[in-house]
Amino acid sequence: DAMVIQNPRYQVTQFGKPVTLSCSQTLNHNVMYWYQQKSSQAPKLLFHYYDKDFNNEADTPDNFQSRRPNTSFCFLDIRSPGLGDAAMYLCATSRGIGTEAFFGQGTRLTVV
Amino acid sequence: AQSVSQHNHHVILSEAASLELGCNYSYGGTVNLFWYVQYPGQHLQLLLKYFSGDPLVKGIKGFEAEFIKSKFSFNLRKPSVQWSDTAEYFCAALKVDSGYSTLTFGKGTMLLVSP
Repeated sequence: DAMVIQNPRYQVTQFGKPVTLSCSQTLNHNVMYWYQQKSSQAPKLLFHYYDKDFNNEADTPDNFQSRRPNTSFCFLDIRSPGLGDAAMYLCATSRGIGTEAFFGQGTRLTVV
Repeated sequence: AQSVSQHNHHVILSEAASLELGCNYSYGGTVNLFWYVQYPGQHLQLLLKYFSGDPLVKGIKGFEAEFIKSKFSFNLRKPSVQWSDTAEYFCAALKVDSGYSTLTFGKGTMLLVSP
């Protein structure tokens, strides 16, 4: 049974058109993460929530925003996607500090 | 800043060969270590983890890893690989700060096992 669910699996958006990716979890974990993974590169942490506390990585572009309306859901908003934002976006959760992360299957974003 | 280095980007082995994938991390504080595997078309899955205690940890599917603190290393091993082990392997380190934890990945090693 899927525990971290990302929708959609594939998303195509136009250059500059806002897009939202979603993630839900059934694990009731405190921490939710968003990673960006480009081809042949390591997953790169964009930001994470510890409960309602939002933590942005220093080098995450302002173009990327996130919302966590409740424990189960977390959204990644890209306000004006550029061609360079095409990537796999991974959502993950963990129970707390220092614990393993559980990943969703990812959303592959294409920008045209 | 913390970083994780994986020594090989691509590894090709024949079935039954032994495997060792190198991983080094740079963070000197409290760090938890992981190996994740990503099979083609699937999500990242945990292979094994090290938090404390015995530095030799055993994971699923016959994989093991050894934490050597003096070398800042956490190498993954398997005595005899199978075709089904073809996948991408990611080493990751989790920096344990006050109140938060952030997971840093290496660039991954693509393992291709030929039958």
